Amino acid sequence: ELKVEQNPLFLSMQEGKNYTIYCNYSTTSDRLYWYRQDPGKSLESLFVLLSNGAVKQEGRLMASLDTKARLSTLHITAAVHDLSATYFCAVAGTAGNKLTFGGGTRVLVKP
Amino acid sequence: NAGVTQTPKFQVLKTGQSMTLQCAQDMNHEYMSWYRQDPGMGLRLIHYSVGAGITDQGEVPNGYNVSRSTTEDFPLRLLSAAPSQTSVYFCASSYWRYPGKRHEQYFGPGTRLTVT
Repeated sequence: ELKVEQNPLFLSMQEGKNYTIYCNYSTTSDRLYWYRQDPGKSLESLFVLLSNGAVKQEGRLMASLDTKARLSTLHITAAVHDLSATYFCAVAGTAGNKLTFGGGTRVLVKP
Repeated sequence: NAGVTQTPKFQVLKTGQSMTLQCAQDMNHEYMSWYRQDPGMGLRLIHYSVGAGITDQGEVPNGYNVSRSTTEDFPLRLLSAAPSQTSVYFCASSYWRYPGKRHEQYFGPGTRLTVT
């Protein structure tokens, strides 16, 4: 059974500083997703990582994937208030499109 | 394209009532799925479908039924609502048959359900 663990569960950030969210998963997968969710809203797709060593960047967010370690990281550079949200990683099983989600990391960026 | 649409946005049910949550997509996606999100948690898969006439169970299927008679629609039925089914329900769709196109999954806006 695929299990996905995120940490930390909560991250209080100071504006301008760098932070990392970790996503560990338990079995082989060929796809890892990062989503952002604002309160009361749906999920917004940030990144899809497909292969070992994949790195994707968009603005202040950068995601990477190490399939051997079964670990993905979401790095936030110079945090700003607009990045306050909950971030989820999700892993697709090798059998198809079923996603198993981590528990989420609630990010609060303080001025 | 409207993408993935869900109705209703909000619903309050009494214990024992039944209802259907609607989900539709206009992207000709083969794969559709239903997730529930409980407070402070990630999403959990309820049921999914890889095409019209084909459905299967996810992680938390008890108390829910689905059917897929068309490519576009994938309704979720609550047979006899229970307070434990109070949650936010998200529908998602994606391509299925083509590995290169399978990657992106599109989520609907969600239905917030309260069972009293």
